[in-house]
Amino acid sequence: LAKTTQPISMDSYEGQEVNITCSHNNIATNDYITWYQQFPSQGPRFIIQGYKTKVTNEVASLFIPADRKSSTLSLPRVSLSDTAVYYCLVGRNNNDMRFGAGTRLTVKP
Amino acid sequence: DSGVTQTPKHLITATGQRVTLRCSPRSGDLSVYWYQQSLDQGLQFLIHYYNGEERAKGNILERFSAQQFPDLHSELNLSSLELGDSALYFCASSVVVGGSTEAFFGQGTRLTVV
Repeated sequence: LAKTTQPISMDSYEGQEVNITCSHNNIATNDYITWYQQFPSQGPRFIIQGYKTKVTNEVASLFIPADRKSSTLSLPRVSLSDTAVYYCLVGRNNNDMRFGAGTRLTVKP
Repeated sequence: DSGVTQTPKHLITATGQRVTLRCSPRSGDLSVYWYQQSLDQGLQFLIHYYNGEERAKGNILERFSAQQFPDLHSELNLSSLELGDSALYFCASSVVVGGSTEAFFGQGTRLTVV
């Protein structure tokens, strides 16, 4: 199972861009990288997923370098409502749905 | 609304008792996962079922058991409850598209053991 490492916490201010990096040195060839967001007392919510290079959706961007040993979730112009825990998962085909400690992002006014 | 339904939403019970948590996955999703999340802690993976069969087991206590039924709903049974079992229990179902997996989580069952 690919293990992931993320910063425990990050602080930001409203309107700033936030980048959260996840290390996954043992990622397998066929593994995907997926990010989830979790608000207090709620189930995690899918944000974005990618395999290589860059993926962008209406919420975030995901940057994956060529060696795929890390990935960066980018949240543009965060607001107070983006305060949450962000989890990075690596795996394929329903496997490896084990969450790490995640990154607790606090957005300040 | 993720499409995953968990019941009950809240449950208060005494130590030593047994409870059953229920999860209905999204229509068509064959995988069901169970997680435990204690206060301010991370998501602890408990177990994964796929189409009725156990696929993976995490740090699930022997006092806990789960199953997935032919209609794909799943139940998590917790017995001989202890105060430390108080937590949010989440269920998720997932869809696989070309190797990638997206999981959808229910709103959880908050279990309080008194």
